[in-house]
Amino acid sequence: GAGVSQSPSNKVTEKGKDVELRCDPISGHTALYWYRQSLGQGLEFLIYFQGNSAPDKSGLPSDRFSAERTGGSVSTLTIQRTQQEDSAVYLCASSLDQGAGTEAFFGQGTRLTVV
Amino acid sequence: AQKVTQAQTEISVVEKEDVTLDCVYETRDTTYYLFWYKQPPSGELVFLIRRNSFDEQNEISGRYSWNFQKSTSSFNFTITASQVVDSAVYFCVATGGSYIPTFGRGTSLIVHP
Repeated sequence: GAGVSQSPSNKVTEKGKDVELRCDPISGHTALYWYRQSLGQGLEFLIYFQGNSAPDKSGLPSDRFSAERTGGSVSTLTIQRTQQEDSAVYLCASSLDQGAGTEAFFGQGTRLTVV
Repeated sequence: AQKVTQAQTEISVVEKEDVTLDCVYETRDTTYYLFWYKQPPSGELVFLIRRNSFDEQNEISGRYSWNFQKSTSSFNFTITASQVVDSAVYFCVATGGSYIPTFGRGTSLIVHP
């Protein structure tokens, strides 16, 4: 597709269950980011993938959160044993080149609700 | 690491008014980039503008203009003759050596007809 695609767009899960969120970046984009946006808050960085380099996981809030990127393309963010405070919109972004000046293109996000 | 402060949480204006969104950044990097993104009610973030730390030239694009001042670490954004369609959350973003964009908390702009 032309843009960053995220699925599902909405996810309601019970506390304690695991969830997987998917991101399809723009074809050819080597950098991929996951952010979390809570109601009325800015974007909280979670994890950054660049090419074949080891991901920067410095933003993951706990060991219940993990992410992988297969073949340098699709990425999956997994949250294990979900808690109510995990409820947020999870945004994925990709960019063309490594470099601080490259703009990121965002998907529409996955709204996660933990009940 | 960078820090971005958007002190204005919400701004409400009437259509055709000019409005300026403030952004103050902190960084130890000598080379860095500043961005503005717009998040309309639909939720998808849209890139508006980028500036690097060596380019203090201000820019005007239609009704939008940006004022980058290194002396005050500010990168303010002005919308002239605001329109209802400008209603959105606007994020100021800084990226430095880590290549990870750091977002401000955003300013919600509400333009009333």
